[in-house]
Amino acid sequence: AQSVTQPDIHITVSEGASLELRCNYSYGATPYLFWYVQSPGQGLQLLLKYFSGDTLVQGIKGFEAEFKRSQSSFNLRKPSVHWSDAAEYFCAVAQSNFGNEKLTFGTGTRLTIIP
Amino acid sequence: DTGVSQNPRHKITKRGQNVTFRCDPISEHNRLYWYRQTLGQGPEFLTYFQNEAQLEKSRLLSDRFSAERPKGSFSTLEIQRTEQGDSAMYLCASSPSGDEQFFGPGTRLTVL
Repeated sequence: AQSVTQPDIHITVSEGASLELRCNYSYGATPYLFWYVQSPGQGLQLLLKYFSGDTLVQGIKGFEAEFKRSQSSFNLRKPSVHWSDAAEYFCAVAQSNFGNEKLTFGTGTRLTIIP
Repeated sequence: DTGVSQNPRHKITKRGQNVTFRCDPISEHNRLYWYRQTLGQGPEFLTYFQNEAQLEKSRLLSDRFSAERPKGSFSTLEIQRTEQGDSAMYLCASSPSGDEQFFGPGTRLTVL
């Protein structure tokens, strides 16, 4: 069964500093990988996704993520965080065959931004 | 494109009561998903529709839970004889093709 591990429950970063959120997945075949962001009272918003091809994926709001098959990782990065980036971030994996695209989420990483 | 909408946004009920939630997907999205999110956890898959057909149900979906999607448009999720353990955020998502799911704001259920 597929699974996702986000080892950092809570991260605090100064505004303007760089950010990396970790994600490790377990899946037998080539996974579909996603990062979502959830702000209080809001639904989940897709930041970026990886299906195949270039392992460095660009997303919205200046985020990027790199797929590393050898490490089973899909870490999210941003070179300079803004106060508005404070939110909960979820990594997710889906099976790579159509007809069964249910998402398996990690437990999330809460990001706090300090001035 | 008005996004996925869910109603109600909040529901408080007493243990043993039945509740029903509604999800209106983005127009023409043929795939619809229900997830449940408890405090401090990521969303967990409950069930999935392609058009009106319910193609998969999680083991989390006990006999007290039922979901429908008549005519392949909106969907309802009903919980019968609610228990305190049912308290959670219930999220709905829709997708045109399965490669990206668009989430609604969720329905927060509190069972007293």
